[in-house]
Amino acid sequence: KAGVTQTPRYLIKTRGQQVTLSCSPISGHRSVSWYQQTPGQGLQFLFEYFSETQRNKGNFPGRFSGRQFSNSRSEMNVSTLELGDSALYLCASSLAGQGITEAFFGQGTRLTVV
Amino acid sequence: EDQVTQSPEALRLQEGESSSLNCSYTVSGLRGLFWYRQDPGKGPEFLFTLYSAGEEKEKERLKATLTKKESFLHITAPKPEDSATYLCAVQDIRGSQGNLIFGKGTKLSVKP
Repeated sequence: KAGVTQTPRYLIKTRGQQVTLSCSPISGHRSVSWYQQTPGQGLQFLFEYFSETQRNKGNFPGRFSGRQFSNSRSEMNVSTLELGDSALYLCASSLAGQGITEAFFGQGTRLTVV
Repeated sequence: EDQVTQSPEALRLQEGESSSLNCSYTVSGLRGLFWYRQDPGKGPEFLFTLYSAGEEKEKERLKATLTKKESFLHITAPKPEDSATYLCAVQDIRGSQGNLIFGKGTKLSVKP
């Protein structure tokens, strides 16, 4: 069974530009969450999408946005990039049914802002 | 405010030297606690889910336990391939299921 796929794996962008990252969840998983990982802050929750609706949002500025498509694939967009946005961006998918559901992560997209 | 604290930040062991990693948490209500392993440059790999005090789960050389305030990841007779960063995360019952609150991890190095 295929895992969570994130593209691209690496990106280099210039300050002020915008970027779009993509995530394809495990087949049958309807929930997709995004996290930012930096050495200083660790893994921080950005937002979660379920059935094309944003279900929860972390404490990040409005420059960070996302969406989910009918096939559960998700995209994350960051506008007006800042140097501090350099990080590993991780996507996780889960069944998100009743009870506790485990989240499975992709390999991440390494974003470098110069 | 929900909080997850892992200790120690780094741990160096000799091959075969057993030890434990700690994860203490503060949440209004625990829906579940998760352990992940992360290798450099890769995404976290799921290890265990625990959801009630007293629960234990095992996988090869790893055993996870849960109390009302903390969880332990016990590593028995570790091997060099167990070297990685181990992450603990919790789901608060107030939050959605996709919202995990992570600790900053314990970086484990196992020397042959």
